[in-house]
Amino acid sequence: AQSVTQLDSHVSVSEGTPVLLRCNYSSSYSPSLFWYVQHPNKGLQLLLKYTSAATLVKGINGFEAEFKKSETSFHLTKPSAHMSDAAEYFCVVSPGYTDKLIFGTGTRLQVFP
Amino acid sequence: EPEVTQTPSHQVTQMGQEVILRCVPISNHLYFYWYRQILGQKVEFLVSFYNNEISEKSEIFDDQFSVERPDGSNFTLKIRSTKLEDSAMYFCASIKGQPPYEQYFGPGTRLTVT
Repeated sequence: AQSVTQLDSHVSVSEGTPVLLRCNYSSSYSPSLFWYVQHPNKGLQLLLKYTSAATLVKGINGFEAEFKKSETSFHLTKPSAHMSDAAEYFCVVSPGYTDKLIFGTGTRLQVFP
Repeated sequence: EPEVTQTPSHQVTQMGQEVILRCVPISNHLYFYWYRQILGQKVEFLVSFYNNEISEKSEIFDDQFSVERPDGSNFTLKIRSTKLEDSAMYFCASIKGQPPYEQYFGPGTRLTVT
């Protein structure tokens, strides 16, 4: 069975400082991995995805994530946080291209001025 | 840009009542999904639907739940007899069925069962 573990339920950063949201995955084969963002009272938006191409994946709004098979990790980073980045972030794994998405428990990112 | 839409945005119902949550997936998408998110918890998969039939369902999706694609545009989730624990945000998603295989989510329907 596949699963993801988000290591931090809350992360707080100051505006302009780097963001690191951690995610470890468990999969018996090469997974499809995603990061979704959910702003307050909004739906889920895809930030980026990994599907066995380049291990460093660039997404929208300056976010990127690196797939590290040896560490079974898919951490999300951004060099400089913006106030608008404050949201809930979900690490997600999927068994296959059209299969269900399996969500982590989420990390709430707070950005302070 | 095409988007998934859901109606209503908020539905309040009494325990034991039937509710139908509606979704309009992106027009050329072929795979459809329902997920739910109980307040403060993670998003959970309910059911996937392809070629007019259920392709996978979770343990949550018991006999009280059903899905239907009554015409070429709508995709509905019906709960026959709602329980308090059905209170959640319900998200519809769709996928094209060819690269880049991205699931597009609707804005959700908040269901409150009283």
